[in-house]
Amino acid sequence: ETGVTQTPRHLVMGMTNKKSLKCEQHLGHNAMYWYKQSAKKPLELMFVYSLEERVENNSVPSRFSPECPNSSHLFLHLHTLQPEDSALYLCASSQDRGGGAGYGYTFGSGTRLTVV
Amino acid sequence: LAKTTQPISMDSYEGQEVNITCSHNNIATNDYITWYQQFPSQGPRFIIQGYKTKVTNEVASLFIPADRKSSTLSLPRVSLSDTAVYYCLVGGDLTGGGNKLTFGTGTQLKVEL
Repeated sequence: ETGVTQTPRHLVMGMTNKKSLKCEQHLGHNAMYWYKQSAKKPLELMFVYSLEERVENNSVPSRFSPECPNSSHLFLHLHTLQPEDSALYLCASSQDRGGGAGYGYTFGSGTRLTVV
Repeated sequence: LAKTTQPISMDSYEGQEVNITCSHNNIATNDYITWYQQFPSQGPRFIIQGYKTKVTNEVASLFIPADRKSSTLSLPRVSLSDTAVYYCLVGGDLTGGGNKLTFGTGTQLKVEL
């Protein structure tokens, strides 16, 4: 148990489907993140939420829509995806202390998404 | 963003000490150096974090020189289960003026018998 739970672990969806990925953290952290990891590529930061407000959106296509209803939950809503969106989607959380204090991320196990 | 440079891959044998060095020339004053380990199809796992000098925990040591422009992760007596990708990240808090944590390509460590 890493403290960050992602569901589902695996998802296969058609290009016209709508689905959502869910992330829940049990660590009392105040920041949450979505990362995408494609085969043989580095992790790409998609979205950052700090204190439930989106603070970063790294030019992610609008077919990915994040939602952070509270500091413990993060969703990634998916619609009309493309086959190239197939990847491992990872959620992470951290405690943002401000003032430059050191911190680390706790990652979930990820959702393996396949778009057909 | 603080760019990091690490070797693409390293090979070792069980029982040996492995040192992976990371360069981060544009590290900011508020940045910490953090190392993660990732197995296939899993999320990265925190290994160790430091700001300067040396940090040691139950799994690794982290050496940081005075100029902080590089760091070395040291894994003592590796085993087959240490085969993984190791990432060096440099960054600070979202509100602390440090760089945001950005993953590079990492170092693929392969441990053999």
